[in-house]
Formats: sequence, C-alpha cells, structure tokens
Amino acid sequence: LAKTTQPISMDSYEGQEVNITCSHNNIATNDYITWYQQFPSQGPRFIIQGYKTKVTNEVASLFIPADRKSSTLSLPRVSLSDTAVYYCLVAFNNAGNMLTFGGGTRLMVKP
Amino acid sequence: KAGVTQTPRYLIKTRGQQVTLSCSPISGHRSVSWYQQTPGQGLQFLFEYFSETQRNKGNFPGRFSGRQFSNSRSEMNVSTLELGDSALYLCASSLGGTSYEQYFGPGTRLTVT
Repeated sequence: LAKTTQPISMDSYEGQEVNITCSHNNIATNDYITWYQQFPSQGPRFIIQGYKTKVTNEVASLFIPADRKSSTLSLPRVSLSDTAVYYCLVAFNNAGNMLTFGGGTRLMVKP
Repeated sequence: KAGVTQTPRYLIKTRGQQVTLSCSPISGHRSVSWYQQTPGQGLQFLFEYFSETQRNKGNFPGRFSGRQFSNSRSEMNVSTLELGDSALYLCASSLGGTSYEQYFGPGTRLTVT
C-alpha cells in the first residue's frame, strides 16, 4: 500500500531547529521524496527534494537514511513566518507512479 | 518565469452540473498533475498528463477527467457534481522526469450547493 505518514502538528520557538519526519515504508528504489510548504489559501510551495543521504539548499535540509523508509525535513532557525503546513510527497513507482502526499504537519512557531 | 496559473479562482456550481477548470503550466514544463484538497482527505492525486497523454491516475471516479493540449495547458472536468466535490483543486507542473519536482498554482476553490 502506497502511504506516507507524518505527525499532525508540531510547536517550536523562533530560532530553534525543527525536524519533521515522514515515513514511507513501501518506497521503491527510484522514488524521489519531495517536501512542500503550504500557507492558507495558497498552493503548496516546493522546498526540497531528495533521493538518498542528504540534500541541502538555502532554506532546508533533507535527510534520508540508507533504508529510505523515512525522511526528515530540517528547518534551521525557524521564524514566525515558517508557521505553515508541511507536506511530504512520494511518487510510488511500484504503485503506478501514484503521487501520494502525507497528511501534512502543521508547524506553529512561537515568539 | 511566470508561475502556474489556474482559472477560475473561485466557482460556485449546483449539484448535478458539470465544471471545467483550467491550468497553464510554467513555460517549458510538459507535465501537469491535478490534486483535490479537502480538510477531511487532505491532498489527493487525481491524474497526471504528460505530452497530451494521461500518464498516471489516482483513485477517483470516472466523473473526473482531464486533458492536455499541445501547448501543455491542461483542463480538468467534473461531471454530475456532488456536494462532496467541494474542494480546492490544485494543479502542478513539472519538467516531466521521474523526480516530480512540481510547482503548484494557487488553486480553484469549487463550491457545490
């Protein structure tokens, strides 16, 4: 069964590092993992994408262990403007490229 | 580059009617995917079009259909609308490779009464 699972919500404080984990047990060898950020009344915004090990860009890092059954989005030094819902997305090749989003993690950053 | 655009942004329809939504992808992107977002079910994949062909399909009834034109613009059609079809419909475009690095439009908010 192609499924991605995330925590429903997380709280943090400004300046802290936030790690959000997504589990995707049935991921196939060639499936990519992509993370998005969504604000109310907007479409999801691309944050980062990875395939294995670690990927870093100017806003986030993505850690993927060797078994690839989970991935962790890391946001360094969050600010109030990072309050949003974060989604992981996997295109499960072994399920006909079913593009499957996790349920989303609502991150609340407090001052 | 201009982003993904969707029209209309808001729509109110009556149960039993049909509706067509439009999506213009980022220039150079050949893949367009459609998603339905509701508070209860989250983001659910409808289908993907690549080079005018449906490449992948989610688990939605046949009332939901789509097509893609030679300029990569895509339309989604929902026939015989039901109250449960009320949702935010999002389209996303990508270059078309297997990585699915997608860029989303602002969505069309459909309300069925």
